[in-house]
Amino acid sequence: DGGITQSPKYLFRKEGQNVTLSCEQNLNHDAMYWYRQDPGQGLRLIYYSQIVNDFQKGDIAEGYSVSREKKESFPLTVTSAQKNPTAFYLCASSAGTGETEAFFGQGTRLTVV
Amino acid sequence: GENVEQHPSTLSVQEGDSAVIKCTYSDSASNYFPWYKQELGKRPQLIIDIRSNVGEKKDQRIAVTLNKTAKHFSLHITETQPEDSAVYFCAASMEGNTGFQKLVFGTGTRLLVSP
Repeated sequence: DGGITQSPKYLFRKEGQNVTLSCEQNLNHDAMYWYRQDPGQGLRLIYYSQIVNDFQKGDIAEGYSVSREKKESFPLTVTSAQKNPTAFYLCASSAGTGETEAFFGQGTRLTVV
Repeated sequence: GENVEQHPSTLSVQEGDSAVIKCTYSDSASNYFPWYKQELGKRPQLIIDIRSNVGEKKDQRIAVTLNKTAKHFSLHITETQPEDSAVYFCAASMEGNTGFQKLVFGTGTRLLVSP
């Protein structure tokens, strides 16, 4: 189980609070991604980053923010503006564009209580 | 819009039978079509992929076929085993806002192989 690590595995948040999910990779990959997984909806892209100091909104970016200050790290912040944040979050990385294999972390399950 | 449709959502087969999962995509410019397997509580992992310059690819008991004209591709698993039970996702590469190719995933198929 190496390469891309997410923490924590489970996270509980009170309504109105921001929370940050960690994603670290040691694969020397340029591209990193955040997906949200909900039952019956597959994987939906939140944000992606092609290189350090650059990131772009995906299909469901509202209520989320990211940073890419280091090549190895791509943290995701779930803000209080996200109306339905309870979900399973997956981070991934790839060597090049989306036309190469994506390697996934083990995921973080966020629950808002 | 850009989307990938995947069918069926659930599939139950007996051990030894074949299983077929089908996906259609919307962007005719898509060139890369991977399939991921996600076992319960684990991360998705790539099992096979195909690029638009070939129509079929096989790896032991799994194969993928691609019909670019019809914009659909399929995963075929032969001689299914209980350990094939998992959720399978198809995906297609599509151009994002900045020209970067991103993966758009289907909604997943839960495959159950009964002994």
